[in-house]
Amino acid sequence: GESVGLHLPTLSVQEGDNSIINCAYSNSASDYFIWYKQESGKGPQFIIDIRSNMDKRQGQRVTVLLNKTVKHLSLQIAATQPGDSAVYFCAENQDNNDMRFGAGTRLTVKP
Amino acid sequence: ETGVTQSPTHLIKTRGQQVTLRCSSQSGHNTVSWYQQALGQGPQFIFQYYREEENGRGNFPPRFSGLQFPNYSSELNVNALELDDSALYLCASSPTVVSPLHFGNGTRLTVT
Repeated sequence: GESVGLHLPTLSVQEGDNSIINCAYSNSASDYFIWYKQESGKGPQFIIDIRSNMDKRQGQRVTVLLNKTVKHLSLQIAATQPGDSAVYFCAENQDNNDMRFGAGTRLTVKP
Repeated sequence: ETGVTQSPTHLIKTRGQQVTLRCSSQSGHNTVSWYQQALGQGPQFIFQYYREEENGRGNFPPRFSGLQFPNYSSELNVNALELDDSALYLCASSPTVVSPLHFGNGTRLTVT
């Protein structure tokens, strides 16, 4: 079946650098995408969302880019901080109200 | 504003037993979704409840069942527990059916 996946399972960046986390999706009918952050021992936390009628959306220090042509989603984090260390999931909305999550990317920020 | 709360936080059960997990949704949210998260994996959708009715279901067997109450709190019931049911069970509420999910911190279920 169709599913959401991630290009890299781990990402290590230097504090202050920008981070880019990528996600590939295969369901061309998906019209709503969300990025979540999950810290150890906690549930996923909403970061930013984007609908399929948009290509880009910006939040505080985060930007989500959506490329529907190649079915690719990315999360950019500016000036990455130690508190950004976590597992990041992209998720797409399926027809049955299932938010389908990818396997996640672990972001480690080095001081 | 109170967030999503789940109980218990940890639970150990024996194979074949039944378990009930509880969730209080965030104030103002009428939709509750349940997810199973195995170690090192992303959450997997179990089902969603909207105004006390099931409103979507993932690829889980019928021994996974749920309820939503008039105050929008919810229960997840799992019968005939199997070892593979060991996981973190996450509850999430949202103000509408398709909107960002607000997750609780989950119930860690261990089946021995």
